This record gives sequence, structure tokens and C-alpha cells, in this order.
Amino acid sequence: KAGVTQTPRYLIKTRGQQVTLSCSPISGHRSVSWYQQTPGQGLQFLFEYFSETQRNKGNFPGRFSGRQFSNSRSEMNVSTLELGDSALYLCASSYTGAGNTIYFGEGSWLTVV
Amino acid sequence: QQQVKQSPQSLIVQKGGISIINCAYENTAFDYFPWYQQFPGKGPALLIAIRPDVSEKKEGRFTISFNKSAKQFSLHIMDSQPGDSATYFCAAQQQSGATNKLIFGTGTLLAVQP
Repeated sequence: KAGVTQTPRYLIKTRGQQVTLSCSPISGHRSVSWYQQTPGQGLQFLFEYFSETQRNKGNFPGRFSGRQFSNSRSEMNVSTLELGDSALYLCASSYTGAGNTIYFGEGSWLTVV
Repeated sequence: QQQVKQSPQSLIVQKGGISIINCAYENTAFDYFPWYQQFPGKGPALLIAIRPDVSEKKEGRFTISFNKSAKQFSLHIMDSQPGDSATYFCAAQQQSGATNKLIFGTGTLLAVQP
């Protein structure tokens, strides 16, 4: 059974640009969450999607957005990139609703220069 | 109130020793407490988890101790091995809130010396 797949794994962007990251959850999983991991702030929750609806949102500016498609695949977008957006962006998936194990992908490493 | 405090920040243990990592939380609505293990270049992987109606859970060399009244929980790694060298994160979740949002501790970098 394939795990959570994230693409691209590594990318470099210039300040002011925008970026889109993609996540394919484990087959059958309908809940997809996104986290930002940095050395200074640790692992911080960005947002969660379930059945194409945003179910929860963390404390990030509106430049961070996401969506989920009917096949449960998800994308997150960061517009007007800032140097501080450099981080590992992790996608996590789980079965329907809360109460199930949450599995993480290996992440997308974003460097903003 | 949403924070999970984790200590120590780093830990060095000799092979065969016991590694202990502690976490504390404030929000009594949290009802699920997982520990994740992360190796460099990899995403976090679930190690073991506990619910507050249980005071201890053991899986192999890994044990979670939970103190509901003190709002604290800890991870014990018995007979620590060099392969256990990784970053460990405690987390808390309010599963009753119909969300999969995890609140993570700040992480503990464990180094097990051979």
C-alpha cells in the first residue's frame, strides 16, 4: 500500500513568487492535513481538508491556501513568497473523521531566496 | 492553552540505557496523545499513542506513561539502540472535536551512543 506522496520533494523559489505543492493521500483516506516544519517554530498545523471542505485552519496568513479534490488529493499554495516561508511542508492523511492514525508524507522542502 | 511543552530539547544516551522524554499540556479537551519519530529527510512516523483513560501503554521497548491529573505524559525508550537516534515529537489531539489537527511539542533530538 503506497504511503502519502508529496511532490515536488525539493524546490527553490524567489521571494515574491508563488508555489503550489501537491499531496496524494493513502488510498481510502479522505482527511488531508498540511503542516509547516521549521527549526525555529517546529511543526505547525496549516489546515485540514475532509471531503473537499476545509475543516480546520491554523494561524497562518491568507497567503497560505489549500484545496482538496474529489479523489482526496490535495494541493497547497503559498503566494507572494517571503524568506520566512522556507520550510519543510508536510502532508498527512487519515481515514474518515477523527480517531484514526495520521500518516505523514516525506514532505516538500521549499527554499525561498 | 493550545501548547504542548516538551523537554529536553536534546538527549544523549548510551546504548542499552533508558531514554526519557517529557511533555505537558494545558487543554483538558485533548483526548489523544501520540508520539512521532522523525529521521533526517523523512516525515514523522507514528511510534505509539495513548488515551487519557489509560495510565500506561507499552509496545516493545517503547512505553508511554500518562498522568491525567498533572496533565503530563512521557515516552520511555528501554534498552536504547543507535538506530533509535532520531527526533521525537509528542503531540496532542482533540479527537472528539471531529478534527485531525495535531498540536506538536517542540521535539527532542535523541542521540544514542554505541
